[in-house]
Amino acid sequence: DARVTQTPRHKVTEMGQEVTMRCQPILGHNTVFWYRQTMMQGLELLAYFRNRAPLDDSGMPKDRFSAEMPDATLATLKIQPSEPRDSAVYFCASGPPGVNYGYTFGSGTRLTVV
Amino acid sequence: AQSVTQLGSHVSVSEGALVLLRCNYSSSVPPYLFWYVQYPNQGLQLLLKYTSAATLVKGINGFEAEFKKSETSFHLTKPSAHMSDAAEYFCAVSDKGGKLIFGQGTELSVKP
Repeated sequence: DARVTQTPRHKVTEMGQEVTMRCQPILGHNTVFWYRQTMMQGLELLAYFRNRAPLDDSGMPKDRFSAEMPDATLATLKIQPSEPRDSAVYFCASGPPGVNYGYTFGSGTRLTVV
Repeated sequence: AQSVTQLGSHVSVSEGALVLLRCNYSSSVPPYLFWYVQYPNQGLQLLLKYTSAATLVKGINGFEAEFKKSETSFHLTKPSAHMSDAAEYFCAVSDKGGKLIFGQGTELSVKP
């Protein structure tokens, strides 16, 4: 089965350090989402891209978060500097052209900032 | 703006009993609606989707959902719960632009 691959699966870092999370969408998928999941806030949409162009990043704290798609096979989410409140599971999801097919999620990156 | 409300953050049923997870949506345009399931320490898996075809949608693992425009609802049901159905379930809404917004989730527990 085709799958969305996220790396790393787990990351523990110290406050103030830079964190980069990577996502490889399914080949042929042109829409990529980044979500953050916490117990308190649930699933929050951080940003999403179509054909590598950012469509909406209004859910992302702009001062420390950035999201990019250097090419069609890679999406990155970067936090600099990281803070303890950034501790969460970050999910990437991708979808094919057309909005009615649903999206496939990766297994997530569990980030702990100490 | 679109939104989703899931009634009940936690639902508990006995094995073999009916499962009913409630979802109401708000959308100014005809929505696309989805149910996802999340097992512990895993990503979300698509259960089923409504895309303006049949109002009764069948998904994987015996789940189905009915789109009711008059009630702005998209409740998820399964006639007979199994222990393996214990998980968290998310309802989500998308507009034609594809932006996917999730509800807060409902944790389903299944008692033997």
